[in-house]
Amino acid sequence: DAGITQSPRHKVTETGTPVTLRCHQTENHRYMYWYRQDPGHGLRLIHYSYGVKDTDKGEVSDGYSVSRSKTEDFLLTLESATSSQTSVYFCAISDVSGGHNEQFFGPGTRLTVL
Amino acid sequence: DAKTTQPPSMDCAEGRAANLPCNHSTISGNEYVYWYRQIHSQGPQYIIHGLKNNETNEMASLIITEDRKSSTLILPHATLRDTAVYYCIVYGSSNTGKLIFGQGTTLQVK
Repeated sequence: DAGITQSPRHKVTETGTPVTLRCHQTENHRYMYWYRQDPGHGLRLIHYSYGVKDTDKGEVSDGYSVSRSKTEDFLLTLESATSSQTSVYFCAISDVSGGHNEQFFGPGTRLTVL
Repeated sequence: DAKTTQPPSMDCAEGRAANLPCNHSTISGNEYVYWYRQIHSQGPQYIIHGLKNNETNEMASLIITEDRKSSTLILPHATLRDTAVYYCIVYGSSNTGKLIFGQGTTLQVK
């Protein structure tokens, strides 16, 4: 399995509190991604990074920010969590090259915002 | 971005071949067809991808029609462990690294 870890794996928080999820990789892959998955919506891209300090928005980026200060870590921050951000969050990594984009996914973080 | 259309669900008998269809009529010449699957509560897993030729690996075969407007993922001998959601995705370098997952097909192996 690709070396991807996510922390925490489970978190319960209250509306209005800041939350940071961490994705850590040991594969030295250039691209890193954050997705959320909700019933009836499938997997949706929040933000992604194509290098250190290089990030871009995905399909559902409102309410989220990201940072990547080193290759191995990609942080997802909810500045002020809302109940609509209750979801399962997956991190993924990839070495994108031309038309090749095999992504490896982490185990997921289950976030509940009360 | 090229869109894909998949049936929401399919059933397959254990030991039989599972054939999962995908339509991608707006695919561009430099876009690949990717297949991923997601077993309950786990992160998605890459299965296979192809451009225009048929592809086979240890997990599955991918058959792409000559006009490239549709494809079929074949699991030759489905087992209960193949029960999962299967995603067909079209991806090219113009997508700048982004994979867009649709709703996929829920395959139930019985």
